[in-house]
Amino acid sequence: AQTVTQSQPEMSVQEAETVTLSCTYDTSESDYYLFWYKQPPSRQMILVIRQEAYKQQNATENRFSVNFQKAAKSFSLKISDSQLGDAAMYFCAYASSGQGAQKLVFGQGTRLTINP
Amino acid sequence: DAGVTQSPTHLIKTRGQQVTLRCSPKSGHDTVSWYQQALGQGPQFIFQYYEEEERQRGNFPDRFSGHQFPNYSSELNVNALLLGDSALYLCASSLGRTGWLRRQYFGPGTRLTVT
Repeated sequence: AQTVTQSQPEMSVQEAETVTLSCTYDTSESDYYLFWYKQPPSRQMILVIRQEAYKQQNATENRFSVNFQKAAKSFSLKISDSQLGDAAMYFCAYASSGQGAQKLVFGQGTRLTINP
Repeated sequence: DAGVTQSPTHLIKTRGQQVTLRCSPKSGHDTVSWYQQALGQGPQFIFQYYEEEERQRGNFPDRFSGHQFPNYSSELNVNALLLGDSALYLCASSLGRTGWLRRQYFGPGTRLTVT
């Protein structure tokens, strides 16, 4: 079974600075998808960024980018120019593209605090 | 354009009781997934419904059951509630058989407390 590990329960960063959240995963599959979701205090999970494993190019979405290392099974999220609104729980998630697999497997989450 | 809605927002139940949680997907979406998120944990997949059928089920006992209606809304039922069922229950919707691989839209969740 696939597992996702986020080794940083909490992280903090000064406003306008850059922070990197770590995620590793375990799988024997070659084709899959990886996601970062944000969960603010309102509880509603919001997709931040998505990476397809067959694509070597790292995904970027404005201030958010990933460092996808397939061989190392690592998928870190970099947030540039941190803003107060970035404060939230961040979850890394894995999805298999195989038949019969319709679930996201989430990590334990990293709580990100932005210091003004 | 209405997003994913869930009801109720909060509820408190007693051990042994039964509960029904409801989810309306984002307009145009036909696939609904349910997740359980215990306090301080990441969400865990319960099951997914597409075209009114359960496509896949996570590692949850038969006390957890669900249903999808022709309008694509969905219910999650939990029987014989245990204290350990206390959690935030999240509903997520997507479009088509593989839309969930592109993006799922989550609702705000239902906070269930079992006493």
